Amino acid sequence: DAKTTQPPSMDCAEGRAANLPCNHSTISGNEYVYWYRQIHSQGPQYIIHGLKNNETNEMASLIITEDRKSSTLILPHATLRDTAVYYCIVSLSSNTGKLIFGQGTTLQVKP
Amino acid sequence: EAQVTQNPRYLITVTGKKLTVTCSQNMNHEYMSWYRQDPGLGLRQIYYSMNVEVTDKGDVPEGYKVSRKEKRNFPLILESPSPNQTSLYFCASSLMDTQYFGPGTRLTVL
Repeated sequence: DAKTTQPPSMDCAEGRAANLPCNHSTISGNEYVYWYRQIHSQGPQYIIHGLKNNETNEMASLIITEDRKSSTLILPHATLRDTAVYYCIVSLSSNTGKLIFGQGTTLQVKP
Repeated sequence: EAQVTQNPRYLITVTGKKLTVTCSQNMNHEYMSWYRQDPGLGLRQIYYSMNVEVTDKGDVPEGYKVSRKEKRNFPLILESPSPNQTSLYFCASSLMDTQYFGPGTRLTVL
């Protein structure tokens, strides 16, 4: 599985968009980009995933560059409850493989 | 409500006393796995199971056993716990592309 690089920490003002970057320059053609988050010491929570195209769901948007070497998770209107560690993971479909969690980005949403 | 449950949530035990952490999911998922999380090391996979009676080692299987006799349950067994197994443990299940994690079990081995 390809490795990912994320900034260790970011701040965001409440109500503003949070843009979390991820580099995955060694991603292969059949690997997906997954985003999970972990609030305090709770179990990680799935946010979104994508292969090539941009994706949006009720939680977030995922923007994947055309060369697929990087991506950005966008939380459109961050709230204090979005304060968490966000993990960008590149993997084959999680139905057949494990998720390799890096150190992630600690997002602090401030009032 | 779709969920993964783990029991116990907190456990303090002593070296060598066998213990089992249970994991159950109500989503009829075939794939289940166990992770441990340690400061500075992130989440690491211990064991996984692709279906009933099919299990395999993850990255850090030493000192652990698992079984998968029914689709919904995937217990983690520590036959002789040691202090280096003090950790936060998560069970997960998945169908297709989304993994659902349990709330975690914080284990302390004295």
